[in-house]
Amino acid sequence: LAKTTQPISMDSYEGQEVNITCSHNNIATNDYITWYQQFPSQGPRFIIQGYKTKVTNEVASLFIPADRKSSTLSLPRVSLSDTAVYYCLVGGFTSGTYKYIFGTGTRLKVLA
Amino acid sequence: DVKVTQSSRYLVKRTGEKVFLECVQDMDHENMFWYRQDPGLGLRLIYFSYDVKMKEKGDIPEGYSVSREKKERFSLILESASTNQTSMYLCASRPQGSTGELFFGEGSRLTVL
Repeated sequence: LAKTTQPISMDSYEGQEVNITCSHNNIATNDYITWYQQFPSQGPRFIIQGYKTKVTNEVASLFIPADRKSSTLSLPRVSLSDTAVYYCLVGGFTSGTYKYIFGTGTRLKVLA
Repeated sequence: DVKVTQSSRYLVKRTGEKVFLECVQDMDHENMFWYRQDPGLGLRLIYFSYDVKMKEKGDIPEGYSVSREKKERFSLILESASTNQTSMYLCASRPQGSTGELFFGEGSRLTVL
């Protein structure tokens, strides 16, 4: 199963673009990469998902290189409300079982 | 709107007590999961169920059991609670065959004294 590694924390200022990278060297062919956001005392919520290349939605972009051993979540023009923990999740139907392994998360702090 | 409901947001139990954490989803999802979350360790998978009466161990199943008698309900059981099981417990669900979006409940914070 693919283990994921993320930076423990990051600081940014309002209005800046933030890029958070996740390493997943053992990603399997069937695995997708998903990012979640978590605020204190709440469950994580879905941000974006991808398999390869680039995916963009209304809140973020996800860049995945051809070898898929890493991925980068890009948050454009962050605001104070983006202060949260961001989790990279790799998983899918692998070897006959559904398993989703979370990384330890990146604590993003957005400063005024 | 999709909803995963965990029965208790906060519980305080004593060492040795049997503890039930209930999770109900209203989305007709086949797959359900229990995670625990601890500072510095992120989310760790305890058990998951890919259908009624089916269960599979996650990464840290020791000291826990689960029950999935109905599709909408997935229960986590601590047979004899210990202080090292003090944690935030998160339930999640997803439909079979989807590519990975998990829907989470708000969490149950358990303190074992």
